[in-house]
Amino acid sequence: KAGVTQTPRYLIKTRGQQVTLSCSPISGHRSVSWYQQTPGQGLQFLFEYFSETQRNKGNFPGRFSGRQFSNSRSEMNVSTLELGDSALYLCASSLVDGGISGNTIYFGEGSWLTVV
Amino acid sequence: GQNIDQPTEMTATEGAIVQINCTYQTSGFNGLFWYQQHAGEAPTFLSYNVLDGLEEKGRFSSFLSRSKGYSYLLLKELQMKDSASYLCALPNDYKLSFGAGTTVTVRA
Repeated sequence: KAGVTQTPRYLIKTRGQQVTLSCSPISGHRSVSWYQQTPGQGLQFLFEYFSETQRNKGNFPGRFSGRQFSNSRSEMNVSTLELGDSALYLCASSLVDGGISGNTIYFGEGSWLTVV
Repeated sequence: GQNIDQPTEMTATEGAIVQINCTYQTSGFNGLFWYQQHAGEAPTFLSYNVLDGLEEKGRFSSFLSRSKGYSYLLLKELQMKDSASYLCALPNDYKLSFGAGTTVTVRA
């Protein structure tokens, strides 16, 4: 079956702009999470959605937001981009609970964002 | 909160065995995941441990001791393709908390 699909794979934005990243989870998976990965901070949790509801949010400023649609697809948005937002943004999907009960979490290939 | 520690780097020779340790502190334990991540690629699932003991899956094995807050990933018969970052992670509150990752370099 198809894996987690993220678009776009690569993008370059200018400081102050905003960006929207898209994620389609594995068919049947209803939990979608987003993570930011940078060389200095490693993998950091952004937020998790289930049935269009955000169940948890990481320690990121309000410029980072997300949403989930009724078909479980998800988007995240970063407004007023800063140089420090340059990172690999990873989307992950799992059946229902983001890994708590041992359901495997599968990651997409990620979206590489460069802010110049 | 959670605290996860892993060694930063390890180097081993092709065909050898390497053990990657992960120690953790957490207020609520829901199991422990190991992921492999090649440079520039997505993390891929290796193992999940929730009970104490060793779980073997081909060349890779993972061990857990809940009382000691300790896990390790054992890579046997190392191959060049095993050069990657290995991440241990704890699930809690609908998210994974990751260690900083251990970069394993396999030399010929």
